[in-house]
Order: sequence, then C-alpha cells, then structure tokens
Amino acid sequence: DAGVIQSPRHEVTEMGQEVTLRCKPISGHDYLFWYRQTMMRGLELLIYFNNNVPIDDSGMPEDRFSAKMPNASFSTLKIQPSEPRDSAVYFCASSYGQGSIHEQYFGPGTRLTVT
Amino acid sequence: AQKVTQAQTEISVVEKEDVTLDCVYETRDTTYYLFWYKQPPSGELVFLIRRNSFDEQNEISGRYSWNFQKSTSSFNFTITASQVVDSAVYFCALSEHNNAGNMLTFGGGTRLMVKP
Repeated sequence: DAGVIQSPRHEVTEMGQEVTLRCKPISGHDYLFWYRQTMMRGLELLIYFNNNVPIDDSGMPEDRFSAKMPNASFSTLKIQPSEPRDSAVYFCASSYGQGSIHEQYFGPGTRLTVT
Repeated sequence: AQKVTQAQTEISVVEKEDVTLDCVYETRDTTYYLFWYKQPPSGELVFLIRRNSFDEQNEISGRYSWNFQKSTSSFNFTITASQVVDSAVYFCALSEHNNAGNMLTFGGGTRLMVKP
C-alpha cells in the first residue's frame, strides 16, 4: 500500500510569495494532521481534520496559514504571504480513528525554504 | 495537561553497545497511548510501536525492546547490539484517550549516534 504522499518534497521561494503544500493520506484513514518541524521548536501540530472537517487549528501560527481538505484523499496547506521564519519541514500524517487511538503515519515531508 | 520528556538530547555509542532511550510522560487520563517514532537522517518519521496504558507487558521486536512502567510513568526504549543504521532521532509520544482526535504530544527527541 502507498503511504502518505506529499508534494513537493522541496520548495524554495522568495519572501512574499504564496506557497501550497499538498498531501494525500493513506486510503481509509479518517484523520489527517499537518505538522511543522524546526530545530528551535521541534514538532508542532498545526491543524488536524477528521472526516475532511477541520477540528483544531489552534496550532496555526497566524492568518497567513490556511489548510483545506476538499475530500478524503487530498489536503493542502497554504502560506500567503510566506516569510523567512516559515522555513521548516512540513509533515502530513494520517491515521485511522475508529474505536481507539491509532498510530499516525507520516509522509516524507516538504522542506520549505523562504529567502 | 499531557507532557512528554526525553531528557537525553543526544547519545553516542559504539556499534554493538546496548543503549536505552528514556521517556517520561505526564497525563491525568487513566487511558492513554504511548508511541515511539524514528527519524533517520533522511528525514521521514517512522512508526515503531504503540502501547496502551492497560498493557504493561514489555515488548521485544528483534533488537528493539520497550519497557513500560506506569509506576514511574516511563516508556523506555532499548536497542541491543546497536548498529550504525540505528543512528537517528527517536521521538516518544503520548495520546490521551479523552482527547478529541488522536492528537500526539511529542517529546523533544533523542539523537542517537552509533559509531562504527
């Protein structure tokens, strides 16, 4: 089975530009998570969805960040406008949530560099 | 509030040594789940194990073993006869059953360096 798929794997952009990160979760999983990882702050949960509905976006740093999940097999994380401090690795993860708490499976990440 | 502490930020061992990575957690829930993930230099996060709070049996998988002790709120991870390929950052994580949506609280990670 394919794991969580993220694209692009690397993104270099200039400050002020719009950035869109994409994620395809594992088929059948009903939870999707977006994380950000930096050396300073470690792994941070940004937002998560259950059955395509955003449940908790309290980790989204500010209004420049937005996330959508139009269907069960696709999600996007958008940054507009981007800033150098947004440089990080962004991970998408998915899990199956029925009946218990299950492990999350992570995508390979998108390394974002904002110059 | 839930919290995970990995006090060892970095460990260096020589190949074939045994090494234990510590994980201490805090939670008010009686039902919770603990996890370990591995992040090798390539960057992806790899799931290793999930354990629920009612199962205190230790688990062994090849050279990996996990020691869960509720009395000390610890879920330690031991690698026996370490290999260079074990070099990675290892994260311990906690999820409370009462949290709304499978959210994980991660520890800060332990960087393990295995030297040949």
